[in-house]
Amino acid sequence: KNEVEQSPQNLTAQEGEFITINCSYSVGISALHWLQQHPGGGIVSLFMLSSGKKKHGRLIATINIQEKHSSLHITASHPRDSAVYICAALGDNYGQNFVFGPGTRLSVLP
Amino acid sequence: KAGVTQTPRYLIKTRGQQVTLSCSPISGHRSVSWYQQTPGQGLQFLFEYFSETQRNKGNFPGRFSGRQFSNSRSEMNVSTLELGDSALYLCASSLVGSFEQYFGPGTRLTVT
Repeated sequence: KNEVEQSPQNLTAQEGEFITINCSYSVGISALHWLQQHPGGGIVSLFMLSSGKKKHGRLIATINIQEKHSSLHITASHPRDSAVYICAALGDNYGQNFVFGPGTRLSVLP
Repeated sequence: KAGVTQTPRYLIKTRGQQVTLSCSPISGHRSVSWYQQTPGQGLQFLFEYFSETQRNKGNFPGRFSGRQFSNSRSEMNVSTLELGDSALYLCASSLVGSFEQYFGPGTRLTVT
């Protein structure tokens, strides 16, 4: 069993839809990173969470430490949101390195 | 402030050769981490350097090595290249005391 799992693996949405991507992890963590990777490879950090909820524009990230679960929500999705979304867990015993989920490939159609 | 830069961006090497990749962190960032991304394995942690010392190492063979210089710039080296080393190699930098990582654009290595 992977330490960090994501669902769904692939997601196709129509422009304007509300999107949820889920991340679950199996160990205690210090922090969780949500990353966005566009075609071509560049990775952008969206959120760093250790508790609660964060919002930036149309993006919202939540984390439930007890349930070992985090969600990334995109409101009013747009084709430019098409990318791979990756969650990365910094575990209590990982030192300063992250364990990454497999990613969720999102396509938003106009 | 300039972002994380990596050179070269693309590289083609032959099996058995060695390669050196370079990463310049954001000014003021002293921690540099390296990651390998392949279609099969996804993103995997290689190693992390802080103040010229390797603090953590992932589960990769000894052919993968790195170093960090006094100006925080980092290099990683892969010796005796194998076809399976073809990947996107990403580095990320962070501030002391922060978990948040800022990624470079990556170096795409192809081994033929």
